[in-house]
Amino acid sequence: GEDVEQSLFLSVREGDSSVINCTYTDSSSTYLYWYKQEPGAGLQLLTYIFSNMDMKQDQRLTVLLNKKDKHLSLRIADTQTGDSAIYFCAESSLPSNTGKLIFGQGTTLQVKP
Amino acid sequence: NAGVTQTPKFRVLKTGQSMTLLCAQDMNHEYMYWYRQDPGMGLRLIHYSVGEGTTAKGEVPDGYNVSRLKKQNFLLGLESAAPSQTSVYFCASSSISWREGQDEQFFGPGTRLTVL
Repeated sequence: GEDVEQSLFLSVREGDSSVINCTYTDSSSTYLYWYKQEPGAGLQLLTYIFSNMDMKQDQRLTVLLNKKDKHLSLRIADTQTGDSAIYFCAESSLPSNTGKLIFGQGTTLQVKP
Repeated sequence: NAGVTQTPKFRVLKTGQSMTLLCAQDMNHEYMYWYRQDPGMGLRLIHYSVGEGTTAKGEVPDGYNVSRLKKQNFLLGLESAAPSQTSVYFCASSSISWREGQDEQFFGPGTRLTVL
């Protein structure tokens, strides 16, 4: 079945770049998403990429997609302590009549001052 | 807009007790979902609904029931709680924008449930 895998933990120093990686198995994935979960809160959509794109940039965030290797990454430039959170990768396939997403396990990003 | 709200925020149950978690959304979304979040396991889909009056099983439906009597509400029931159901429960809703084809899900703040 469909599966999304992430490493569980990443620690960086404030000001460094963070790179969070994700692999997925569903070759029909159409959209890939990055969600952020701050402590004690629900998930919020950070960014997404359509499967016909290789890269998407949004301010400090850069998403890279290697469709051949089914590998997705999220790069956060100039990481701040406020970026400390759990980051979830998710994928969906179209056409979809359910809107269901498949989530990875989440990567906890720890930013040290 | 309040977005997606969940009640209660916290609850402690004894084994065998029952309870209902309420999710409400004010975005007129068709689709609603219940997830559980456990350490190291990400979010697992319990049940979902693609419209008022419809429900379907997700990845981990056993021990849970759901109802969607009104479009804006999605209820998750535990008939006989077990310690294995100790978790954080999240509700989400979405409406597919066919023009863009993007399925953004909007999440509630979560309910932390402990079953003793």
